[in-house]
Amino acid sequence: GESVGLHLPTLSVQEGDNSIINCAYSNSASDYFIWYKQESGKGPQFIIDIRSNMDKRQGQRVTVLLNKTVKHLSLQIAATQPGDSAVYFCAENIPGNQFYFGTGTSLTVIP
Amino acid sequence: SAVISQKPSRDICQRGTSLTIQCQVDSQVTMMFWYRQQPGQSLTLIATANQGSEATYESGFVIDKFPISRPNLTFSTLTVSNMSPEDSSIYLCSGITRPSTDTQYFGPGTRLTVL
Repeated sequence: GESVGLHLPTLSVQEGDNSIINCAYSNSASDYFIWYKQESGKGPQFIIDIRSNMDKRQGQRVTVLLNKTVKHLSLQIAATQPGDSAVYFCAENIPGNQFYFGTGTSLTVIP
Repeated sequence: SAVISQKPSRDICQRGTSLTIQCQVDSQVTMMFWYRQQPGQSLTLIATANQGSEATYESGFVIDKFPISRPNLTFSTLTVSNMSPEDSSIYLCSGITRPSTDTQYFGPGTRLTVL
């Protein structure tokens, strides 16, 4: 199977600081990536996506960076808030194939 | 974005029984999937639900244990058969709305506990 892994299983940040969650993927043919947020007791929620023809994409308080050379993906959350506390998953997709999910990083925001 | 609902949201079942989980999407999706997520773990794909034909199962999952139906584009069911405590997990339905987007959206999940 594919290997999509996260560098850190847990991350704690102070409220107001920026958070960076990292993800490594193994298949260079992957051309589409999604970050999901999963709060306790809920299904994964789409946050932001990026295609392989881009190296950066910004949303509201979130930025995804893609480094295809080293097969690395990161999610940056600006001014982290208590509501950002959740597990974050990255997922990669090869055209016509299933999505492969990383192991998840648990983000805890300290008030 | 597609809105996906599932029911039941949770259930507690006895060993040896079966549970059918329903998934409804509010817009036409081209692909629907069923995932399992064990506590503290990532998502594992069970199968792709194919409209009007047998689902496509991933390695380690079989139709006899996890029969899946998809009678139309917006509805699918997953049955967990002859349950054991090892089947305790969250079961998630998802959909992709190609060709407009490849984005995969998830339902809220069904939390299953088998005693």
